[in-house]
Amino acid sequence: GESVGLHLPTLSVQEGDNSIINCAYSNSASDYFIWYKQESGKGPQFIIDIRSNMDKRQGQRVTVLLNKTVKHLSLQIAATQPGDSAVYFCAENLNQAGTALIFGKGTTLSVSS
Amino acid sequence: KAGVTQTPRYLIKTRGQQVTLSCSPISGHRSVSWYQQTPGQGLQFLFEYFSETQRNKGNFPGRFSGRQFSNSRSEMNVSTLELGDSALYLCASTNGLVAFFGQGTRLTVV
Repeated sequence: GESVGLHLPTLSVQEGDNSIINCAYSNSASDYFIWYKQESGKGPQFIIDIRSNMDKRQGQRVTVLLNKTVKHLSLQIAATQPGDSAVYFCAENLNQAGTALIFGKGTTLSVSS
Repeated sequence: KAGVTQTPRYLIKTRGQQVTLSCSPISGHRSVSWYQQTPGQGLQFLFEYFSETQRNKGNFPGRFSGRQFSNSRSEMNVSTLELGDSALYLCASTNGLVAFFGQGTRLTVV
């Protein structure tokens, strides 16, 4: 599978590969993190979330890893499909007393068959 | 269950005008937040409303304002439009942690 250590704006993979998208967050006090997928012409779509008291969470074909020591999040997509092609954003909730999401720069995932 | 609905989907305005965008949250969601998305700055938080009160605010000038009604529907207003206000404006609603987004309103200022 394809993996990147630092944030890259684009990631190209072959169908069936595993993809890893990385994200650095800014605030040590953030206690909640979300990954979103955004397709062209649409709003961001929720993929998976994780609270700061966890370091890993799994969903259907997706896994999020949280490393609080280095303030790093990653999204792993297993068996990537052409329908996974989109822009992926990580977001941290800056304010525990509400919803004020700070988004990362986004990674464009391109899946070729 | 209907998702977050934003109207209108597209809007063209002239510099100096003002604009009002509308957002209907998912039924039962009491928090509504607004974001601006541009190619250069990405997704930026504008403000959040909960129970008709602004709960959080981002770093945008006072030309950007919002309000929330008793049925949780929200509007945002931008006065004295500038070319740089051209963007996709996104609304999200939540009843807890996960914020669900609408399709956005594409505002073009000419």
